[in-house]
Amino acid sequence: QSVLTQPPSASGTPGQRVIISCSGSRSNVGSNYVYWYQQVPGTAPKLLIYKNNQRPSGVPDRFSGSKSGTSASLAISGLRSEDEADYYCAAWDDSRSAVFGGGTQLTVL
Amino acid sequence: QVQIEESGPRLVKPSGTLSLTCTVSGGSLSSTQWWSWVRQSPGKGLEWIGEMYSGGDPSYNPSLTSRVTISVDKSKSQLSLNMSSVTAADTAVYYCASASGYAKFDNWGQGVLVTVSS
Repeated sequence: QSVLTQPPSASGTPGQRVIISCSGSRSNVGSNYVYWYQQVPGTAPKLLIYKNNQRPSGVPDRFSGSKSGTSASLAISGLRSEDEADYYCAAWDDSRSAVFGGGTQLTVL
Repeated sequence: QVQIEESGPRLVKPSGTLSLTCTVSGGSLSSTQWWSWVRQSPGKGLEWIGEMYSGGDPSYNPSLTSRVTISVDKSKSQLSLNMSSVTAADTAVYYCASASGYAKFDNWGQGVLVTVSS
């Protein structure tokens, strides 16, 4: 049972916009930054979004993040086949630990 | 960019101790970053094990703190993980990662699959 809650799956067709949600509590999402990671099966996770809505260099602007209260979301616009991967949200918890969501498997139809 | 590589035994017996080493090249463990261990059980999500800030005390996942020790050998640019009393539930891919902020894991190793089995 993960501390942050994500839908287990999401899907979309090429060119569509997909949104993945992440729900937490006041002690994590509600009071700390949210991060998003992309993991292609068989590879290590990659930082996709940091500090709620910032993109590391090299991440396309098709990816965007937002946060409101104890919930956050990752939006992917102009969906492409290479976006098919697992997506995880993460945050620091005030109990002094990093917590992750259970992951969302994105399928590009 | 700093290269991170995990190494250690791939098979550990139940009730034994899992020991892994994370070697950093092209950089230094003395830099102002956190060095973390994260694991992923087969087909499951990510779980933070713990971290160590250069020159500071380690922090551990509350659910694992009684069994985990993380240490740093700066002279060898190595981070170590020891997990005692392992069970099959500890079978996972173990990743070493650097973090430039809380939960901001910027750079990851390729991971190593450790299986707990007799």
